[in-house]
Amino acid sequence: AQSVTQLDSHVSVSEGTPVLLRCNYSSSYSPSLFWYVQHPNKGLQLLLKYTSAATLVKGINGFEAEFKKSETSFHLTKPSAHMSDAAEYFCVVSGWQGGKLIFGQGTELSVKP
Amino acid sequence: EPEVTQTPSHQVTQMGQEVILRCVPISNHLYFYWYRQILGQKVEFLVSFYNNEISEKSEIFDDQFSVERPDGSNFTLKIRSTKLEDSAMYFCASSGNRDSGETQYFGPGTRLLVL
Repeated sequence: AQSVTQLDSHVSVSEGTPVLLRCNYSSSYSPSLFWYVQHPNKGLQLLLKYTSAATLVKGINGFEAEFKKSETSFHLTKPSAHMSDAAEYFCVVSGWQGGKLIFGQGTELSVKP
Repeated sequence: EPEVTQTPSHQVTQMGQEVILRCVPISNHLYFYWYRQILGQKVEFLVSFYNNEISEKSEIFDDQFSVERPDGSNFTLKIRSTKLEDSAMYFCASSGNRDSGETQYFGPGTRLLVL
């Protein structure tokens, strides 16, 4: 069975400093992995996805993530946080034959001025 | 940019009442989904729908729940007799196909409160 664990429920950074949101996955097959972001009162927006091509994936708003099979990780990073990055971030794995998505618990990112 | 819309944004109902949550998926998408998030818990898959029938459902999606595409644009989730534990945020999503790497586009959610 597939599962996703986000290692931090809350991360707080200062504006202009790097962001690291950690995600580990468990899967019995080659997974597709996603990061979604949710701003208050908004839908879940796709940041980036990994689908067995390049292991370093670049997404919107300067975010990127690296798929590391040996560590079963898919951590999300950004070199310099912006106030507008404050939101909830979800690491997600796709079901075996596509279709349903399996979500991690979410990480709330706070950005201090 | 096309987006998934959901109505209402908030719904308060009494236990035992029926509720219908509405979604308008992206117009050329063929696969539709409902997820829910109980406060403080993970987002959970409920059901997927394609070609006017359910293609997959979770254990949560019991006989209390039903889905329908009543016309060419709407996709609805009905809860027949609501329980307190149905209180949650319900998200609708749609995608162009159901491949493993296909992006699902989510609506803003409907917050359901059952009293």
